[in-house]
Amino acid sequence: NAGVTQTPKFQVLKTGQSMTLQCAQDMNHNSMYWYRQDPGMGLRLIYYSASEGTTDKGEVPNGYNVSRLNKREFSLRLESAAPSQTSVYFCASIYTGGHDAFFGQGTRLTVV
Amino acid sequence: DAKTTQPPSMDCAEGRAANLPCNHSTISGNEYVYWYRQIHSQGPQYIIHGLKNNETNEMASLIITEDRKSSTLILPHATLRDTAVYYCIATTGNQFYFGTGTSLTVIP
Repeated sequence: NAGVTQTPKFQVLKTGQSMTLQCAQDMNHNSMYWYRQDPGMGLRLIYYSASEGTTDKGEVPNGYNVSRLNKREFSLRLESAAPSQTSVYFCASIYTGGHDAFFGQGTRLTVV
Repeated sequence: DAKTTQPPSMDCAEGRAANLPCNHSTISGNEYVYWYRQIHSQGPQYIIHGLKNNETNEMASLIITEDRKSSTLILPHATLRDTAVYYCIATTGNQFYFGTGTSLTVIP
């Protein structure tokens, strides 16, 4: 049982490059989330998806796009990476009506 | 979601109870209180949640005041592995907004 799997674990981008962070869960959860965590800070919600086919903005959506490809997968895309997007990105999922969200191990992204 | 306020840091002696406070004075009637923790730079881990009543599980106890404006997470016998950042969140459960949490250091 893998839980929530994020790929890649580490990535270095140059300013202006694009990339997609992948997230997949095998727990049949309805809701999925993307967070970012800057050094010494708490997690900030970027986007979330309450169900397949729906996405909504969180606290800090600017510069990101998301796709809920199917029930299992929720991807986060940076179209033109900026140094301010250097952060650790966490994906999470939860069963609708459930109380315990499960998090991936994070993607450490550096934009130079 | 209601705003929560937590002390930035706390210490606790190993083997003693760790009591982590959280204020959520604007919490609404349908919002739960959740606690998560983050060890090192791992993904956060669910600990416990409650609505009105006190709750206990294998990890911790949650004490919620009668007016629901504050709560306390209790780790009954803290170990070194409990050193982590603890987040208190008040939400209906659709979205989880994390603040900066309380950094708990368990001292040998």
